[in-house]
Amino acid sequence: QLQLQESGSGLVKPSQTLSLTCAVSGGSISSGGYSWSWIRQPPGKGLEWIGYIYHSGSTYYNPSLKSRVTISVDRSKNQFSLKLSSVTAADTAVYYCARGGELVHAYDYWGQGTLVTVSS
Amino acid sequence: DIQMTQSPSSLSASVGDRVTITCRASQGISNSLAWYQQKPGKAPKLLLYAASRLESGVPSRFSGSGSGTDYTLTISSLQPEDFATYYCQQYYSTPPTFGQGTKVEIK
Repeated sequence: QLQLQESGSGLVKPSQTLSLTCAVSGGSISSGGYSWSWIRQPPGKGLEWIGYIYHSGSTYYNPSLKSRVTISVDRSKNQFSLKLSSVTAADTAVYYCARGGELVHAYDYWGQGTLVTVSS
Repeated sequence: DIQMTQSPSSLSASVGDRVTITCRASQGISNSLAWYQQKPGKAPKLLLYAASRLESGVPSRFSGSGSGTDYTLTISSLQPEDFATYYCQQYYSTPPTFGQGTKVEIK
């Protein structure tokens, strides 16, 4: 059974960089046919797609965040990571990692989510 | 970006009721639509994809239909565990975008 687990700092100061990692178990992130995404949800609000990375290392980012986002993969550790720079209070959210299809970007496996608060 | 608009934003229903939630895209999405269920404090759960294909393990009381810009999620007989918030998501074009959610509450 595939499992995804987010980890990282839960409190980030304004203007700093948010860093999260998603550890994948029960399957290889290097196997083809899937995309690996980050999705966030501000408290009490809806879902926003941040970006995804393929096993090849190709990345796609939401244009609204593109200038601040980097998603990378570490195949040796079977994990992928998110960095979001120059954060503000508007970046406070629960951050989820999720698996989608390579062509069908519906997300069938999700991490439990981690709350990141941006505050001084 | 393709805008996804769900209606209603919330509804109250009783156990056993038939419930319908609508999702409208700002342009045609060729059935590239998924539905999710989210309970408080939990990650979303995939219910359907390709507008009408049931994800493995999801009860058959959930169904989806639609075409072009208009899509529907139907719960044929609402069960106690179905009280949650439901989201649609298009994956026809990047960035994938979600509807604002429909909260299904107990009447």
